[in-house]
Amino acid sequence: DSGVTQTPKHLITATGQRVTLRCSPRSGDLSVYWYQQSLDQGLQFLIHYYNGEERAKGNILERFSAQQFPDLHSELNLSSLELGDSALYFCASSVGGTGKETQYFGPGTRLLVL
Amino acid sequence: AQTVTQSQPEMSVQEAETVTLSCTYDTSESDYYLFWYKQPPSRQMILVIRQEAYKQQNATENRFSVNFQKAAKSFSLKISDSQLGDAAMYFCASMDSNYQLIWGAGTKLIIKP
Repeated sequence: DSGVTQTPKHLITATGQRVTLRCSPRSGDLSVYWYQQSLDQGLQFLIHYYNGEERAKGNILERFSAQQFPDLHSELNLSSLELGDSALYFCASSVGGTGKETQYFGPGTRLLVL
Repeated sequence: AQTVTQSQPEMSVQEAETVTLSCTYDTSESDYYLFWYKQPPSRQMILVIRQEAYKQQNATENRFSVNFQKAAKSFSLKISDSQLGDAAMYFCASMDSNYQLIWGAGTKLIIKP
């Protein structure tokens, strides 16, 4: 158990809908990262937050947004869902924001868009 | 942009034997970090080992060790005394200047009893 929690574990929804994925980092970690793992694109970095502020953006679609709250948990919002958004979404956390710390991953949220 | 290449989609090894998984990367950074993560059927992403590029000594964690060849930009993972529980997808990753992990395509490791 990495200490990173993600809810829900599974999510089934329809195209056009909006969902929110939640992540709680390990105790003491200030950074949260979101990754998408899909069959066709592999693992891709989406976005990084450090202590409530956005630090870096990767291949994140405009339909997707995220935030990190004062208690350091983070939410990833996916809207206008398409079939291609079906994937495993991982959250990871690390202690600081220097980039030198190891990222520890949550169990992921498996999203299926029908 | 950084890239990570794992050229072996699948590898198999007899239980108790040794196997080496290959990884090459391309970066213009002078200070970077390399990782091997394991993803078993549960899909949980588990850190196996980490290497700081400025360290010449190869990282070791119990039965897992790396062969880090900086000039060749190679970062292979050696698993000794393979166990059934080692069966998983193994991903090589590098950390770029934005602190994001850049991933290889993964190698599926099969352990034969």
